[in-house]
Amino acid sequence: GNSVTQMEGPVTLSEEAFLTINCTYTATGYPSLFWYVQYPGEGLQLLLKATKADDKGSNKGFEATYRKETTSFHLEKGSVQVSDSAVYFCALSDHGGYQKVTFGTGTKLQVIP
Amino acid sequence: DTGVSQNPRHKITKRGQNVTFRCDPISEHNRLYWYRQTLGQGPEFLTYFQNEAQLEKSRLLSDRFSAERPKGSFSTLEIQRTEQGDSAMYLCASPTSFSGANVLTFGAGSRLTVL
Repeated sequence: GNSVTQMEGPVTLSEEAFLTINCTYTATGYPSLFWYVQYPGEGLQLLLKATKADDKGSNKGFEATYRKETTSFHLEKGSVQVSDSAVYFCALSDHGGYQKVTFGTGTKLQVIP
Repeated sequence: DTGVSQNPRHKITKRGQNVTFRCDPISEHNRLYWYRQTLGQGPEFLTYFQNEAQLEKSRLLSDRFSAERPKGSFSTLEIQRTEQGDSAMYLCASPTSFSGANVLTFGAGSRLTVL
């Protein structure tokens, strides 16, 4: 079945540091890939997505590239801010007719001033 | 309101009691999903509706769990004879469009604490 593996946290960075959160997946076919974010006390929000190989999703300074050859979708940001502190979830959905999504376990990011 | 609404936001109950959660999805969509998120984990799929029909149930959904979607609008998730292991955040989701692709939009969730 489908699965998502992401790096364990917590990740602690200083403001303006470079961020990478690794994510790899296992799926049959050609899934769509997502990063969701959960800010403290808030619900899950979609951050970015990519639907086919070599697509780059981007939003709010975050980027991730769909790498089929390495089955990866690593999240990056060039300069993190304190407001980026949150839990980040990598996820995928297959194209089986409805958008059932499989999530990773989440990576907590803490950005310190 | 164009978002997914869930209530109650928090529920504390004693073991053995029944609880019910309600989800009001994004109005124009006929699909509705329930997920469960335990502490330190990602959300896990529970069940899915297309209109009023429940099309798939995860093995996580034991016999004590029942979900309904009468008239294909709001949905309820009931847990009977709650156990401490049921403590989790229960999330409801609707499909929406994000940059031309179908994605899931989640409600804020209903947090259950079983004492």
